[in-house]
Amino acid sequence: GAVVSQHPSWVICKSGTSVKIECRSLDFQATTMFWYRQFPKQSLMLMATSNEGSKATYEQGVEKDKFLINHASLTLSTLTVTSAHPEDSSFYICSARVARGQGLTDTQYFGPGTRLTVL
Amino acid sequence: AQTVTQSQPEMSVQEAETVTLSCTYDTSESDYYLFWYKQPPSRQMILVIRQEAYKQQNATENRFSVNFQKAAKSFSLKISDSQLGDAAMYFCAYRRVRDGNEKLTFGTGTRLTIIP
Repeated sequence: GAVVSQHPSWVICKSGTSVKIECRSLDFQATTMFWYRQFPKQSLMLMATSNEGSKATYEQGVEKDKFLINHASLTLSTLTVTSAHPEDSSFYICSARVARGQGLTDTQYFGPGTRLTVL
Repeated sequence: AQTVTQSQPEMSVQEAETVTLSCTYDTSESDYYLFWYKQPPSRQMILVIRQEAYKQQNATENRFSVNFQKAAKSFSLKISDSQLGDAAMYFCAYRRVRDGNEKLTFGTGTRLTIIP
C-alpha cells in the first residue's frame, strides 16, 4: 500500500515551453500533497503544499506564477513549470500525506521523482 | 524555525557491521515527529523509521533502530548487520504535530557506503 506515482519520470524540453508533471496516489486518498525540488547531491527543498480543492501554499522564494500547482482530486496533483528555462532543470519530487482512517502510517509517501532538463 | 542538522556528509561501513548516523534538530515544540528516510540511487524516497516525540521508547524496524534523546534534541539511526542494499542517502526529517499542513523539514543528508 501507499504507492505514489509520478509522470513523466523524465522530460526534456526546449526553453520557453511549459511542462506538466503529474503526481498520483494510487491506493489511498491524499488530502495534502507536497512538491519538492532536489538539486544534485543536495537535500529536498519544499516548493509548495497542495490541498485538494484549494489554492496551493508556496514557500518563500518560489514563484507561484512559474510553478503552477493544481490539486484536482484526492488522488491527483499537478505541477506545471511555465516558460521553462535551463535554470529550472532539476529533479522534482512529489509526496502525498495519507488522509486519516486508511490504516497507513501517518507520514508522507513519496513519488519516484521527475527529472526535468530544459535545453 | 525548526532546523535539522546532519553533521556527517558521508559514512561507510563494512558489510554485516553496525553503523550509526547522527541527527540533531532544533525546535521549541514539545510534540513532534521525527523520521529517517532513505534515498537509494533510484532517487525514490523510502520511509525507514518514525518516532513520536511523546514516546520515550525508541522506535525499531528490524535492523533499523533509533536513539532518541529528547532533551539533547538528538535522533540517531543505527543500522545493524549492514547489507549492500542499505547503500543510499539517508535524510533525517522533522515534522510538527500541530502544523495543519504537516510540512517536513529535512536535514542535508548522509551518504552511506557499504564496503563488501
